[in-house]
Amino acid sequence: GAGVSQSPSNKVTEKGKDVELRCDPISGHTALYWYRQRLGQGLEFLIYFQGNSAPDKSGLPSDRFSAERTGESVSTLTIQRTQQEDSAVYLCASSLMRASQAFFGQGTRLTVV
Amino acid sequence: EDKVVQSPLSLVVHEGDTVTLNCSYEVTNFRSLLWYKQEKKAPTFLFMLTSSGIEKKSGRLSSILDKKELSSILNITATQTGDSAIYLCAPGDSGGGADGLTFGKGTHLIIQP
Repeated sequence: GAGVSQSPSNKVTEKGKDVELRCDPISGHTALYWYRQRLGQGLEFLIYFQGNSAPDKSGLPSDRFSAERTGESVSTLTIQRTQQEDSAVYLCASSLMRASQAFFGQGTRLTVV
Repeated sequence: EDKVVQSPLSLVVHEGDTVTLNCSYEVTNFRSLLWYKQEKKAPTFLFMLTSSGIEKKSGRLSSILDKKELSSILNITATQTGDSAIYLCAPGDSGGGADGLTFGKGTHLIIQP
């Protein structure tokens, strides 16, 4: 596609439920990032995929968070047993290669009630 | 551990003023420094700097990198209310660091009419 696409754009879920967020990167982009942004806060790095290398999961806040990416295509971020503190905008970005210009999706606004 | 510090964290000025935003970094295997503007959800790309001392310019915005001082500045001249946003910087590394793109907390810039 022309840009990075994320779905859903908004998600309201009940505490304790699992959610799955999807990111479609720009075709051909080998690098893919997930960030979390709480209200009024900066971008918090979650996970980074680079080609077929093992992902950098150092930013995942707990074992309730996981992400997958098949090759250089779609990525999904899964949050299990959601908590109210998980409420945030989850942003995905992709770039042609590491440390080059990253393009962001419009994000998924997750609200846990 | 890689670090990115932006200053000031927030800034309120009047339309027409000139502002200078700062970004300092400590990154293993530095490769590039990226600046983004975030108004609503998705940050939009402004500049990518790889060489020290070479100013990049786009309209009223300009940016320069100082690799010796491990810092970069973003200048906005003749500010307008549309410049109100969060400005984010991110140093990119070429491998060996914690991740490919670590963002600072941002500078929240407010331009008053």
